[in-house]
Amino acid sequence: DADVTQTPRNRITKTGKRIMLECSQTKGHDRMYWYRQDPGLGLRLIYYSFDVKDINKGEISDGYSVSRQAQAKFSLSLESAIPNQTALYFCATSDRTGLFNQPQHFGDGTRLSIL
Amino acid sequence: SQKIEQNSEALNIQEGKTATLTCNYTNYSPAYLQWYRQDPGRGPVFLLLIRENEKEKRKERLKVTFDTTLKQSLFHITASQPADSATYLCALLYGNNRLAFGKGNQVVVIP
Repeated sequence: DADVTQTPRNRITKTGKRIMLECSQTKGHDRMYWYRQDPGLGLRLIYYSFDVKDINKGEISDGYSVSRQAQAKFSLSLESAIPNQTALYFCATSDRTGLFNQPQHFGDGTRLSIL
Repeated sequence: SQKIEQNSEALNIQEGKTATLTCNYTNYSPAYLQWYRQDPGRGPVFLLLIRENEKEKRKERLKVTFDTTLKQSLFHITASQPADSATYLCALLYGNNRLAFGKGNQVVVIP
């Protein structure tokens, strides 16, 4: 089983719909992240959470919200989806140990298309 | 503005040769730099981390260098194999343990 699981893997929806992407992890990591990846733009950070009570905006948080339901679960919501939110979305985790030099572990992504 | 630059053109290389990728950055002062591999349809996978006070790091056929004066990291794959074909991302640690990623550089190893 994957250590970082994202659901759904693919989603097609219409403009204006509310969408939730879910991420769960079995790595026991405190830190979780949401990124989007667009062709030619690379990975960009949407939100991150260093523990259940700590939520922080990343560089492109407008139009998104998150919920950290438990140490192992971090969900991303699009309250009213728009076509330019069509992208590949990744969840990642990292360990707190050593503070600043921990690698991030990624799920396999959710491909989201908004028509 | 802050930038991380990786070559947008794919690197085509013959099997057995050394592939060298470049990551240049501006307006960052990272204490750490990481390299990831990404295969189509998959999430990035961590490969190597190098600290600012380290000149070079090796892992099997992979080698990374980090020059904070030039603001550049080089990533080498020696004795390349077709299985090394993928996109390679550099990432800089900044702020409160956040990573800023380059756009990635595709490598195609030709048998």
